[in-house]
Amino acid sequence: EPEVTQTPSHQVTQMGQEVILRCVPISNHLYFYWYRQILGQKVEFLVSFYNNEISEKSEIFDDQFSVERPDGSNFTLKIRSTKLEDSAMYFCASSGTPGNEQFFGPGTRLTVL
Amino acid sequence: SQQGEEDPQALSIQEGENATMNCSYKTSINNLQWYRQNSGRGLVHLILIRSNEREKHSGRLRVTLDTSKKSSSLLITASRAADTASYFCATDYGNNRLAFGKGNQVVVIP
Repeated sequence: EPEVTQTPSHQVTQMGQEVILRCVPISNHLYFYWYRQILGQKVEFLVSFYNNEISEKSEIFDDQFSVERPDGSNFTLKIRSTKLEDSAMYFCASSGTPGNEQFFGPGTRLTVL
Repeated sequence: SQQGEEDPQALSIQEGENATMNCSYKTSINNLQWYRQNSGRGLVHLILIRSNEREKHSGRLRVTLDTSKKSSSLLITASRAADTASYFCATDYGNNRLAFGKGNQVVVIP
């Protein structure tokens, strides 16, 4: 069964460093998302992406964040200068059409020291 | 029950019993989705129910939706130890971004 994959599973970085989290959505899906879950808190929407541009973004998704689909399979989330409060589990998701199921990847646990 | 501001609920049951958890939301939705998360792991999609549907089944799972009360429930029948997880509802208000509840922790005792 097709699934969303994410790499790395765990990323440790120093405050102020740039990180890139990678995702491979389900191959025939066209809508891509990033969410995050700070330990013990709710899963929060960050951004949605369709047709090579951002469709929606939350107030969390500030200028430090960017997304890109650099090729036909990968979808990336970049954090330019990480802060301690960026430590969280970051989930990528994809869906075939809007209003349908969003399938999530296993997550990347980001730890900022 | 889950909603934006409530604390997560915890439920501990014996294997074989049914588990019911609830979710409420605030405004009209396009759909509501239920997910399972094992400790520290990814979100597994369980069921999507649309605003014009009242009930859906998938295996041992039954989801209901009451749009007049703005609430949904997830029933797991004949629970197993492997059902131990956190269960989240997530609402799509039509803008294609999911708003998650805080989750219900279910522990199934063998």
